[in-house]
Parts: sequence; C-alpha cells; structure tokens
Amino acid sequence: QQQVKQSPQSLIVQKGGISIINCAYENTAFDYFPWYQQFPGKGPALLIAIRPDVSEKKEGRFTISFNKSAKQFSLHIMDSQPGDSATYFCAASKGSARQLTFGSGTQLTVLP
Amino acid sequence: DAGITQSPRHKVTETGTPVTLRCHQTENHRYMYWYRQDPGHGLRLIHYSYGVKDTDKGEVSDGYSVSRSKTEDFLLTLESATSSQTSVYFCAISGQGAEAFFGQGTRLTVV
Repeated sequence: QQQVKQSPQSLIVQKGGISIINCAYENTAFDYFPWYQQFPGKGPALLIAIRPDVSEKKEGRFTISFNKSAKQFSLHIMDSQPGDSATYFCAASKGSARQLTFGSGTQLTVLP
Repeated sequence: DAGITQSPRHKVTETGTPVTLRCHQTENHRYMYWYRQDPGHGLRLIHYSYGVKDTDKGEVSDGYSVSRSKTEDFLLTLESATSSQTSVYFCAISGQGAEAFFGQGTRLTVV
C-alpha cells in the first residue's frame, strides 16, 4: 500500500530549465509535506516543506505547490543547475512525531 | 550531519547471523527513527522511538527489533539476517514537531 505516489521516476532537464516533480497522497490526516534531496552516498536532507493551510511556499529557486482538494503537491525547481542533479523524495507525516511516509523518488539530471 | 553518527557504515554478513546497527545523536532530540532504502521504494520506516524505552513499529518492522536505553542511542537488531534485508539503513532524529535529520547511512549486505 503506497500512501504517497511520486512521479516521474527520472527526469532530465537542460540547465536553466524548470524541473517539476509531482506527488499524490491518500491519507487526509497528513499535515506536513517535506521534500528531501539526496546525493549519492549521503543521507536525505530537507529541502523545503509545507503544511496544508497554504497553497504555495517558495525558498529561493525551489517552490512547493499544494492542492489540498486534489491531495497533490509538487516541487518546482526554477533555473535548474547541474548541481541540482540528485534524487528527490516527497514525503508526508502527521502529528508531532516525524514518522515520514516517502514517495519512491525521482532521479533528476540537469544537463550542462 | 546534525550530530548523528551511524555505525558501522558498511557491513557484510552471512545469512542467519545476528546484526546490530547503532545510531548515536548529540542533539538530545526526543524522536529517533530507523528507515531502510531500497530502489523503487524510497525510504520505509522500520521502527521509531519517542523516548527512552518507548518504541513502536513502522511499515516494515518484521524481522527487526530496536532498543533505546539512553536518549542518545538507538539500536536496530536483525536477529537472523536474511538476503531480503540487504539494504541501506538510515537513522533519523527530530525534535517535537521539527524537521527530521538523517544520518549518512549504513550499507548492509547479507550473503
């Protein structure tokens, strides 16, 4: 039972382009939606997170768009750079403990 | 890495042997977690702890046990390792309602 579905599995973007990764969730009790970035051989690192009371959050080149009624959220990376090449995971959790349910990941490659 | 140390970083073990992975934190965070990462599955929660001697099961807890006798240490034990437990294991920590920080991971191979 996959409670958070992520797409696409892989994404190739030209430098300067926009990268878009989508996630959908099932459990309406989720109240925290983070995105993690992972480089090879490293642990995931928090990139940006959103709560369902807002529809969009922006931090630098990274934006989360959130659609509560559709139970979907997405990550937009503007002006994508080769250094952004990594695996990105969406996740969701509920309550004060961060028991995260992860999507299956998207491997992003930004071509120079 | 937010004061998280996982040990060992790599381990090869034989089927049927017991294995213990250690997670040590210096942040005094309340919550600690063990996840496993496998291709196509993202990260899946094995067990988590919400205090000393307080633990609970996650999504993929079968074949694993945990213990937390001190705030700073969270141990994951595979009582009898199987090939299906070959994976990369990540420990994470978080404070109350705060973001989760992940360790560098332990690559476990069961042969």
